[in-house]
Amino acid sequence: DVKVTQSSRYLVKRTGEKVFLECVQDMDHENMFWYRQDPGLGLRLIYFSYDVKMKEKGDIPEGYSVSREKKERFSLILESASTNQTSMYLCASSPIWAPNSGGTPDTQYFGPGTRLTVL
Amino acid sequence: AQSVAQPEDQVNVAEGNPLTVKCTYSVSGNPYLFWYVQYPNRGLQFLLKYITGDNLVKGSYGFEAEFNKSQTSFHLKKPSALVSDSALYFCAVRDFWGYQKVTFGTGTKLQVIP
Repeated sequence: DVKVTQSSRYLVKRTGEKVFLECVQDMDHENMFWYRQDPGLGLRLIYFSYDVKMKEKGDIPEGYSVSREKKERFSLILESASTNQTSMYLCASSPIWAPNSGGTPDTQYFGPGTRLTVL
Repeated sequence: AQSVAQPEDQVNVAEGNPLTVKCTYSVSGNPYLFWYVQYPNRGLQFLLKYITGDNLVKGSYGFEAEFNKSQTSFHLKKPSALVSDSALYFCAVRDFWGYQKVTFGTGTKLQVIP
């Protein structure tokens, strides 16, 4: 089974702190994603990465950065945490797929989530 | 830009009755559609997907979904609801060209009443 793990289930930080959220997957997937989940807003994509050292902005990248130094690990960084970044953060991975590659797109595999509270 | 809408924040259904959770989508080309379920304090789990072919897709836990191209809908269904089906359900879409990016709906909370 694919396993996606996140470093913490619950995290409490203070405004202005630098926060690191870590995600590790064990299935050699090329794609990795960071989402935040908020009631009534669903899942919103923050950043994704399709290869080591490659990253693309999602829908809400402001206030966040990411790092992918190794294929299995994708880190989300809050440079200076703010209260409006209090949320559930979900990491996901999937194999890469392109329209001309044949086959069909695979699903995303999600970690258990990190509930971050910024005071 | 691709998008997906789940018009109902919550759906209540009695145990044993059929259930439907609605989803409509908008993409520029052929859609790839997914349903995920989230149980309390857990990550999202894949239920089923539509890529091409039969309009009725069968998935995990007895769920199925009906793809309707003319109505741009992909509603999730189950013939007989269980209390254990109570959870948060997300519809997601991925189009042919934005292939690495998946867009999720806002989620629908399903409450199955004993």
